[in-house]
Amino acid sequence: NAGVTQTPKFQVLKTGQSMTLQCAQDMNHEYMSWYRQDPGMGLRLIHYSVGAGITDQGEVPNGYNVSRSTTEDFPLRLLSAAPSQTSVYFCASSYSTNWGTEAFFGQGTRLTVV
Amino acid sequence: GENVEQHPSTLSVQEGDSAVIKCTYSDSASNYFPWYKQELGKRPQLIIDIRSNVGEKKDQRIAVTLNKTAKHFSLHITETQPEDSAVYFCAAGYTGTASKLTFGTGTRLQVTL
Repeated sequence: NAGVTQTPKFQVLKTGQSMTLQCAQDMNHEYMSWYRQDPGMGLRLIHYSVGAGITDQGEVPNGYNVSRSTTEDFPLRLLSAAPSQTSVYFCASSYSTNWGTEAFFGQGTRLTVV
Repeated sequence: GENVEQHPSTLSVQEGDSAVIKCTYSDSASNYFPWYKQELGKRPQLIIDIRSNVGEKKDQRIAVTLNKTAKHFSLHITETQPEDSAVYFCAAGYTGTASKLTFGTGTRLQVTL
């Protein structure tokens, strides 16, 4: 049981390039999300999914696309990278039951756009 | 949407003292309030959470209190130890969607010897 796995761990992009950050979870969680973390600003929600085929925008969705074709995977696409997208990106998944809930985070992807 | 404010941004305490971090939220519909600890270069890790039907929850040296009327909640760490040094984040959301959270801006806690 690996939990939430993100790849790559580090990435440097040139302005205008596109790329996909991968996120996979093996806990059969319905809910998955992407956050970005910038110094002094906490974590901000980019996109969110409540299940395969269903996604929604978070607080800072511009410049990012997502899709959820399976329960396990939730990739984040940067369409045309900009220096303002330099950040640490975290993927999270969660369950919800009658007795509790918890979000689990991946180890993060540190992205630098030059 | 939800807005979460967190104070202080930095906190320095001596080993053995208590530390208190406070957060306020704006959306009265929020009913799930987790606290995360993040060590340098690591992922956020849940340390304690509280739901809106509970006023206080304790787990060893860590406790969280919630005042729904005032829309604020606090993290209390007693008998602090050097390994408590980290950045702590509060968050607000809904129990049905625990990974859709609004986070505070974080508190850097430094426990000195």
